Amino acid sequence: EVQLLESGGGLLQPGGSLRLSCVASGFTFSNYAMSWVRQAPGKGLEWVSTIANTGAYRYYADSVRGRFTISRDNSKNTLYLQMNSPRADDTAVYYCVKGYCINGVCYSHPDAFDIWGQGTMVTVSS
Amino acid sequence: DIQLTQSPSSLSASVGDRVTFTCRASQNIDNSLNWYQKKPGRAPKLLIYGASTLQGGVPSRFSGGRSGTDFTLTITSLQPEDFATYYCQQSFSTLFTFGPGTKVEVK
Repeated sequence: EVQLLESGGGLLQPGGSLRLSCVASGFTFSNYAMSWVRQAPGKGLEWVSTIANTGAYRYYADSVRGRFTISRDNSKNTLYLQMNSPRADDTAVYYCVKGYCINGVCYSHPDAFDIWGQGTMVTVSS
Repeated sequence: DIQLTQSPSSLSASVGDRVTFTCRASQNIDNSLNWYQKKPGRAPKLLIYGASTLQGGVPSRFSGGRSGTDFTLTITSLQPEDFATYYCQQSFSTLFTFGPGTKVEVK
């Protein structure tokens, strides 16, 4: 069964730091681009960041560029999101998402997001 | 950046109704448009990719269409489990974006 399991969420203060993790299973992790998508309380879905299968390419939403860093360890089937200088408006459920490509394996630019984790809640508050 | 607008923001419907809602892109995105279903407390679910291709396991009452930069999601006979919020998302640009969503509520 294809599965994504996030961890690392919690309460952090503005200006602190936090690292989210996502362990993947049931598919060849190193063949797929991976992403983070978030949903703030009462708000819609917001794409945060995407990383290519090798880590060679990384894309960020304007709202997090320069503060968040996406990375991956293919030997551990794990995706990360390092959150630095968080703000109150970063409060959200963060989802780890697998990329889907129409032509099969999905190295850098997914056509869609097909497998989602259950999410981990991050609250930024003093 | 590519902007997506969805209309209506919400709609009230009954079981068995046919419902259609729209997603408009701010520029040409070819068929790089996907639809997701989101229920409270649940992870989003991919319904349609490439504007009109049904993801595996998704009921055939869901369908997607495109006319230029306007995209539609249609549910032909609304079922109780379909009350949810629906989001469109573009993958034309690597600055992936979601629309604001359309909430389908019980009339």
